[in-house]
Amino acid sequence: NAGVMQNPRHLVRRRGQEARLRCSPMKGHSHVYWYRQLPEEGLKFMVYLQKENIIDESGMPKERFSAEFPKEGPSILRIQQVVRGDSAAYFCASSMFWGSENEQFFGPGTRLTVL
Amino acid sequence: DQQVKQNSPSLSVQEGRISILNCDYTNSMFDYFLWYKKYPAEGPTFLISISSIKDKNEDGRFTVFLNKSAKHLSLHIVPSQPGDSAVYFCAASASNAGNMLTFGGGTRLMVKP
Repeated sequence: NAGVMQNPRHLVRRRGQEARLRCSPMKGHSHVYWYRQLPEEGLKFMVYLQKENIIDESGMPKERFSAEFPKEGPSILRIQQVVRGDSAAYFCASSMFWGSENEQFFGPGTRLTVL
Repeated sequence: DQQVKQNSPSLSVQEGRISILNCDYTNSMFDYFLWYKKYPAEGPTFLISISSIKDKNEDGRFTVFLNKSAKHLSLHIVPSQPGDSAVYFCAASASNAGNMLTFGGGTRLMVKP
């Protein structure tokens, strides 16, 4: 019973490059969330997606960041033209149902380092 | 504006004693609260949750208490074990705001043998 899978676990990019982070939800889960954790801080919500739909992107920076969850395949968080401030741990979570009383299960995270 | 706050960045407890981790929130629309445990280089692991219609929820060594009037919740771990040493995050969600979780900054718990 595989949990939430994320890859790569570590990603190093130079300023100006693109970063692509992948997330496969738990089996049977159709709701995916992305969170970002800056050093010494808590996790901050970025975006909530269901298959082929972005439901809530209120936490996403307006520029350079995008997310998708296609009908087939993993969810992708894409950061274009990365800057040093994008260095963080990016966590994906999934849940089976919609609604606030609904545990989200987290993946191990992708640690992005921008040189 | 931090809507969920964990004012103690760290806590040290002796093995076998009780650990009490605290969390305060400001948004009265929050109606579901969760505690997650996180080890270094891993994702948060769900521990226990509580709905706003309850004031207590217990699961083995873990108990969460909710005081809605004070907008305060706490996680009690008893007895504490060295394997409990980790960072604990409090999180909250509001049914009128979908599924997003708002996290506190975390408290690092160290349980000494």
